[in-house]
Amino acid sequence: AQKVTQAQTEISVVEKEDVTLDCVYETRDTTYYLFWYKQPPSGELVFLIRRNSFDEQNEISGRYSWNFQKSTSSFNFTITASQVVDSAVYFCALSEANTGTASKLTFGTGTRLQVTL
Amino acid sequence: GAVVSQHPSRVICKSGTSVKIECRSLDFQATTMFWYRQFPKQSLMLMATSNEGSKATYEQGVEKDKFLINHASLTLSTLTVTSAHPEDSSFYICSARDAGRMREQYFGPGTRLTVT
Repeated sequence: AQKVTQAQTEISVVEKEDVTLDCVYETRDTTYYLFWYKQPPSGELVFLIRRNSFDEQNEISGRYSWNFQKSTSSFNFTITASQVVDSAVYFCALSEANTGTASKLTFGTGTRLQVTL
Repeated sequence: GAVVSQHPSRVICKSGTSVKIECRSLDFQATTMFWYRQFPKQSLMLMATSNEGSKATYEQGVEKDKFLINHASLTLSTLTVTSAHPEDSSFYICSARDAGRMREQYFGPGTRLTVT
């Protein structure tokens, strides 16, 4: 069975601080995908990143960066110089990668990030 | 591109009535759509996988007769909550998998259902 753990329920930071959101996953699959989504108060999920299990390179996109470490089954997300607009709930998710079949997403419980002035 | 819409965005219904939620892929074909449910301040839980032209696959613990799913075309899946009760009040989110792009899954904006 697949499982995603986001141990941080809520994080509060002051604008311009850096913040890291943790994600630890469990899967028996050797091939899988990891995702991060942002859910602002409106409720709509915003896709941030997808990473496959064979690609352990860290990725940076603007103020966002991701650290994938297979050895510790972690896929952490860092926001540099946080802004108020970053306030949202962030979900880490995992999907199987069987070819020819639909890939269900298993979501973590989410981390609520509050960025204040 | 890759837009998924849901209708309605909000619905309030009385206990015992049924309500239908539509999920449409606007600019791509989706052989597979997923239906998730999210209670306040909780995570998204997959309810069922909807496959075009065939019966939906429900997750363990989800009542098939209560949550009717129909995926009649490559761009439309519907979720009908039958005989709704207050405990069915939740945020329902669909996602659609682009048949032309492996692994790409796009989420709709969600439907907030309130049963009074």
